[in-house]
Amino acid sequence: QKEVEQNSGPLSVPEGAIASLNCTYSDRGSQSFFWYRQYSGKSPELIMFIYSNGDKEDGRFTAQLNKASQYVSLLIRDSQPSDSATYLCAVNIYPRSGNTPLVFGKGTRLSVIA
Amino acid sequence: DAGITQSPRYKITETGRQVTLMCHQTWSHSYMFWYRQDLGHGLRLIYYSAAADITDKGEVPDGYVVSRSKTENFPLTLESATRSQTSVYFCASSESVAGPPTDTQYFGPGTRLTVL
Repeated sequence: QKEVEQNSGPLSVPEGAIASLNCTYSDRGSQSFFWYRQYSGKSPELIMFIYSNGDKEDGRFTAQLNKASQYVSLLIRDSQPSDSATYLCAVNIYPRSGNTPLVFGKGTRLSVIA
Repeated sequence: DAGITQSPRYKITETGRQVTLMCHQTWSHSYMFWYRQDLGHGLRLIYYSAAADITDKGEVPDGYVVSRSKTENFPLTLESATRSQTSVYFCASSESVAGPPTDTQYFGPGTRLTVL
């Protein structure tokens, strides 16, 4: 069973703080790692993808990948109330995924308190 | 650039009726996907398609039928709707599934389906 695990939260952080969202995955052959943001009642929206070990920064967002430890994280600096959403981690383990090319975690709900 | 669109956005139907959800993308992506999202289950893949006339079952295909006669369209049909199919349905597309950098999936706005 290919799994992607996330803490469901809610994760509450004060405005201006750093929010740290974590995701672990079970398949060592995973190639691509994605973070999606989903506001209530809306569709998942891509924030970032990362393919190589290390950090990848895009504005206030930093994705971190550690393939040896099988985890990927998302840091949100200077958190704003508008960042309050559910964050989905997704992992591409094709072709070992059977009939599910992209495996999603169930998401972590982030709440940024003003 | 419309990207990926879904219709209808909201649908109420009755048990036993046939319902078709539409998905259209303008990126010429080869791959298209149908997911359902339910509380406690997250996103679950129903069917996906690698190209016109090529479809594959996902995690939860029972009760659903898909077709793909044109690259840009991927309709999902519930042949005889059941209450358990009440859910939010998302369509997505990507250039490929075989790895970076083209395996990023982009989602449509979703269809909220209620089966009474």
